[in-house]
Amino acid sequence: AQTVTQSQPEMSVQEAETVTLSCTYDTSESDYYLFWYKQPPSRQMILVIRQEAYKQQNATENRFSVNFQKAAKSFSLKISDSQLGDAAMYFCAYRSADGGSQGNLIFGKGTKLSVKP
Amino acid sequence: ETGVTQTPRHLVMGMTNKKSLKCEQHLGHNAMYWYKQSAKKPLELMFVYSLEERVENNSVPSRFSPECPNSSHLFLHLHTLQPEDSALYLCASSPGLASSSYNEQFFGPGTRLTVL
Repeated sequence: AQTVTQSQPEMSVQEAETVTLSCTYDTSESDYYLFWYKQPPSRQMILVIRQEAYKQQNATENRFSVNFQKAAKSFSLKISDSQLGDAAMYFCAYRSADGGSQGNLIFGKGTKLSVKP
Repeated sequence: ETGVTQTPRHLVMGMTNKKSLKCEQHLGHNAMYWYKQSAKKPLELMFVYSLEERVENNSVPSRFSPECPNSSHLFLHLHTLQPEDSALYLCASSPGLASSSYNEQFFGPGTRLTVL
């Protein structure tokens, strides 16, 4: 069974600085997808960024980028020029590319990010 | 709110009560999901529906009973719950069950459930 581990329960960053959130995963599959979701306080969880395992190039979305290390099974999220609105719980998630997986997401426990003004 | 809505947003119930959580998606999706989010634990997938047919039940106790009358609505019926069932219950929908990375799940705001 696949597992996702986020080893940092809480992180803090100064506004305008850069922060990196860690995520590791365990799988025997070669084809899968990885995601970072953001859950602001009392608000809906939204997708921040996604990565296909077959792609070597790291995904980027504006100030958000990932460092995907397939051999190390590592998928960290870098937030540049942090803003107050980035404060939230961040969840790393895994989904198998196997059609029989029903599209199920496997989540880590989350990292609570605080942004200091 | 648009996208995926959930009602009620907060619910307090006793262990002998019967209540229902409602989820509605306005995205034209074919798959819907119930998740349980407890403090300091990963999100737990409870149920998956595709085209109103349940395709997955992750060993959820029978005191949780899902219902999907059509592809836009999903209910979670609750009865004789335990205090440890207190959590945030999230609904999500996706275009389908395909394994493409672009088959993204969209989440609702959740129902905060407290069982006394």
